[in-house]
Amino acid sequence: AQKVTQAQTEISVVEKEDVTLDCVYETRDTTYYLFWYKQPPSGELVFLIRRNSFDEQNEISGRYSWNFQKSTSSFNFTITASQVVDSAVYFCALSESNTGFQKLVFGTGTRLLVSP
Amino acid sequence: DTEVTQTPKHLVMGMTNKKSLKCEQHMGHRAMYWYKQKAKKPPELMFVYSYEKLSINESVPSRFSPECPNSSLLNLHLHALQPEDSALYLCASSQDFRTEAFFGQGTRLTVV
Repeated sequence: AQKVTQAQTEISVVEKEDVTLDCVYETRDTTYYLFWYKQPPSGELVFLIRRNSFDEQNEISGRYSWNFQKSTSSFNFTITASQVVDSAVYFCALSESNTGFQKLVFGTGTRLLVSP
Repeated sequence: DTEVTQTPKHLVMGMTNKKSLKCEQHMGHRAMYWYKQKAKKPPELMFVYSYEKLSINESVPSRFSPECPNSSLLNLHLHALQPEDSALYLCASSQDFRTEAFFGQGTRLTVV
């Protein structure tokens, strides 16, 4: 069965600090997709990144970067020079390919609090 | 336009009421989803519609009844709910399993 673990329940940092959110997943599928979503207090889940199981290239988008390591089943997310607006709950999620549509399994989320 | 619109944003209903949640997307996505999120928990999948047909029902109680009138609309009909059904109900859509799902802002439901 598929499972996503986000061991960090809550992280507090001061603005401009770098922070890494950890995500470890379990799946028996060879083709799968990993996602990160941000959920601000308003409630909407905001898509950040999608990575398929065959693409282990790391990605950088502005202050955000992602490190996908298949060998350790991890897909970690780093925010560089954090800002107050980054405060939110961040979810890592997994979707397997055998259903024909997305069936997201979410981790328990990491609440990030960035203080000024 | 990458928007999924949900109405209403907030809903308070009694246990004997019947109400409906609505969701709309105009991205041409063929899959639409209902998720339920309790406070401080991750979203949990309830239903999946693929090409306007119900594809997945995650053993959801029959007091929740989904409906997909067309490819852009998704409804969730609520009847005889319990206080423990109070949660944030999120609608999402995606093109297929390879692409990301876009979520609406959700409906915060309180059952009294």
